[in-house]
Amino acid sequence: DQQVKQNSPSLSVQEGRISILNCDYTNSMFDYFLWYKKYPAEGPTFLISISSIKDKNEDGRFTVFLNKSAKHLSLHIVPSQPGDSAVYFCACGGSQGNLIFGKGTKLSVKP
Amino acid sequence: KAGVTQTPRYLIKTRGQQVTLSCSPISGHRSVSWYQQTPGQGLQFLFEYFSETQRNKGNFPGRFSGRQFSNSRSEMNVSTLELGDSALYLCASSRILGYEQYFGPGTRLTVT
Repeated sequence: DQQVKQNSPSLSVQEGRISILNCDYTNSMFDYFLWYKKYPAEGPTFLISISSIKDKNEDGRFTVFLNKSAKHLSLHIVPSQPGDSAVYFCACGGSQGNLIFGKGTKLSVKP
Repeated sequence: KAGVTQTPRYLIKTRGQQVTLSCSPISGHRSVSWYQQTPGQGLQFLFEYFSETQRNKGNFPGRFSGRQFSNSRSEMNVSTLELGDSALYLCASSRILGYEQYFGPGTRLTVT
């Protein structure tokens, strides 16, 4: 049973527009949430994180939103750039132990 | 600060053989985790080590094993290789269990 779900395997967005990637989790014990970006043949790169005591965290063009009651987090990229094209993984973890990753969403940003 | 390094980067083995992959974490990081990535399956958690002790283990058969040394370097071993073991094996290190992990480039294992 998947504890962390990314229900959209792919997303296509026009350059300059907003990209919204979504992630749902089932385990209420998770208290730390992260997003990673992965290019082919490379390891994932840490992007941004948020702890359960916050509902929003921004870093430049990237913003992560956390809705604890809905067990949902999202990553907003504004404005989207062609170089953002990659696979994005959400991960849930914290004091309960190891990180659990979703299966990823492939983002394509078209010029 | 040097990142996570993994060796070898590419490996080709035949069914039935065994393989050992190596990971050197970021200096100061005591936690090392291993993941298997296959197309469509995302990152499947294998195991996690902290201070030479296995703290968590994923749902993989006993053919997959690992260890961590006193300098935090880690190795994972896969015995009796099967075709389905072909994957990208990723190692990640962190200061604390369950928080930001930093990944190495991975080892691409092909089993023929």
